[in-house]
Amino acid sequence: AQKITQTQPGMFVQEKEAVTLDCTYDTSDPSYGLFWYKQPSSGEMIFLIYQGSYDQQNATEGRYSLNFQKARKSANLVISASQLGDSAMYFCAMREGSIGAQKLVFGQGTRLTINP
Amino acid sequence: DVKVTQSSRYLVKRTGEKVFLECVQDMDHENMFWYRQDPGLGLRLIYFSYDVKMKEKGDIPEGYSVSREKKERFSLILESASTNQTSMYLCGIQGALGQPQHFGDGTRLSIL
Repeated sequence: AQKITQTQPGMFVQEKEAVTLDCTYDTSDPSYGLFWYKQPSSGEMIFLIYQGSYDQQNATEGRYSLNFQKARKSANLVISASQLGDSAMYFCAMREGSIGAQKLVFGQGTRLTINP
Repeated sequence: DVKVTQSSRYLVKRTGEKVFLECVQDMDHENMFWYRQDPGLGLRLIYFSYDVKMKEKGDIPEGYSVSREKKERFSLILESASTNQTSMYLCGIQGALGQPQHFGDGTRLSIL
């Protein structure tokens, strides 16, 4: 079974609109972390935002926020006031457990295109 | 700033060749990872290392090996390259729990 599912292969959004990228996860470990990364066409992976399973508040970083719904096992990324430079692939990833090497499991990715 | 350097951005090799992909970090982190990225599949973990000379298999280790002789360097080795190993390869590093993995710029490897 997929541990991380991103159901939107592609999304098209008008500039300045808000956009929500979906991510659902599957784990039985009570300690886990969720990450979002952005990958522009140049290929580098850019860390955007992190949410720990025990964090009480939803994470925010500038225009990025994470809509963390633990009971539904979802961790959607919200980008407010989208910009042309937000066009990229976006990956949701999960780290399970709290000891040892922190392996990440990635979703399939969502390609976001911002239209002017 | 975190710096993770992968030796090549683009690499073209022939079937059957032995291929080395190098990753060097300047953060003194214990944990280093090798992933491959294919369209529609996201990133999949090949191998990781949590200390010098220590390594563990990830989800898709077949056809690959790794070497970590020094803390700052983690090498991915394709013993006998095949066309199905044409892919984007990404090296990641990680420090403390809860900290994100940081990645190199990736190597686009083509096996002809």
